[in-house]
Amino acid sequence: SQKIEQNSEALNIQEGKTATLTCNYTNYSPAYLQWYRQDPGRGPVFLLLIRENEKEKRKERLKVTFDTTLKQSLFHITASQPADSATYLCALSTSGTYKYIFGTGTRLKVLA
Amino acid sequence: GAGVSQSPSNKVTEKGKDVELRCDPISGHTALYWYRQSLGQGLEFLIYFQGNSAPDKSGLPSDRFSAERTGGSVSTLTIQRTQQEDSAVYLCASSQSPGLASTDTQYFGPGTRLTVL
Repeated sequence: SQKIEQNSEALNIQEGKTATLTCNYTNYSPAYLQWYRQDPGRGPVFLLLIRENEKEKRKERLKVTFDTTLKQSLFHITASQPADSATYLCALSTSGTYKYIFGTGTRLKVLA
Repeated sequence: GAGVSQSPSNKVTEKGKDVELRCDPISGHTALYWYRQSLGQGLEFLIYFQGNSAPDKSGLPSDRFSAERTGGSVSTLTIQRTQQEDSAVYLCASSQSPGLASTDTQYFGPGTRLTVL
């Protein structure tokens, strides 16, 4: 069955370091992949979209990679700050559909 | 303008009661989604509305769940005869999607936390 895996354990890193979060998927051929940020008690907020034919996408301190061979996306936050502490969700979709399948998210804590 | 709003923010109910959850999407957004987020679980798709088209109800977990969208704007998710396993955060999202467009950003509301005792 289709499965999306994100590290369920929290990731703790020191302020200023680069945080790297992983999204792996199986039995799925997504055309689009999105990353969202979710703070406690709030809905997810869209961060980045990457298409299957794009290897990398950047936005300010954020970078996303998409490797369809490895069936993996990596989400990087450079020069991390305590304000980056949140849960980060990846979501996958196939072409021509409005449905996204979401991962369970990885909680990131940036320590001052 | 305002983002997606949901009400109530919290709802505690007794097993067997019916509940109604409301979503006000961003004005002008034609697509509206309902999701359920349980502790430690990913967002679970429930239902999708797009303009005047028939909704995609394929994610509704049982016939106790129903949703409607009046006038292409406000949506109500109704859960009848609630069970303890219905306890979760119910999230609504809207997008400008003109159709089958996976690239459209979904804008989420803050969610309604439902607790069934």
